[in-house]
Amino acid sequence: GENVEQHPSTLSVQEGDSAVIKCTYSDSASNYFPWYKQELGKRPQLIIDIRSNVGEKKDQRIAVTLNKTAKHFSLHITETQPEDSAVYFCAASVARNDMRFGAGTRLTVKP
Amino acid sequence: GAVVSQHPSWVICKSGTSVKIECRSLDFQATTMFWYRQFPKQSLMLMATSNEGSKATYEQGVEKDKFLINHASLTLSTLTVTSAHPEDSSFYICSSDPGLATDTQYFGPGTRLTVL
Repeated sequence: GENVEQHPSTLSVQEGDSAVIKCTYSDSASNYFPWYKQELGKRPQLIIDIRSNVGEKKDQRIAVTLNKTAKHFSLHITETQPEDSAVYFCAASVARNDMRFGAGTRLTVKP
Repeated sequence: GAVVSQHPSWVICKSGTSVKIECRSLDFQATTMFWYRQFPKQSLMLMATSNEGSKATYEQGVEKDKFLINHASLTLSTLTVTSAHPEDSSFYICSSDPGLATDTQYFGPGTRLTVL
């Protein structure tokens, strides 16, 4: 089955700096890669996603890049703000209703 | 759209009792729902896939007699933790894919279970 690895497990940046979180996946058939943000005690919420036929997608301060050959994808957050502090999960989906999550990255943005 | 609710948001119970958690899709029909367990500062661990009108599919290592799943309608799935023990204390979250153009799963708000 699909195996998703996520790095780093914790990340601390200064407000205004950029943050990058990287994930690798094992199943080359995976075709959908969402990123979720989870604040303490709350539900994970989708912040951006990308399909395997696209190499990059951007939404304001967040962007995701995908390298199918290397089987890795990354989340980029620019101009970080304290409210970006949360746990971020990447995921990879081989087929509908078959999604696997990375272990999560705890991002802390220091004011 | 794609709203998933969960009830209760938190529950405290005595060891040996059973606890039922409900997961509802409020604005779509969910033929499939997923149940996750999350320990503090850890990732989402898929426990089982709940299928409307049929038996749930459990992940390896998850006891189906311990975690009973019922998905009797297209908008409701329930997870019952039977004979709960302190080690069952955790954050339980359900999710569902509303079947839109993407495969996106939408999560419920979670239920924090504490077993004394």
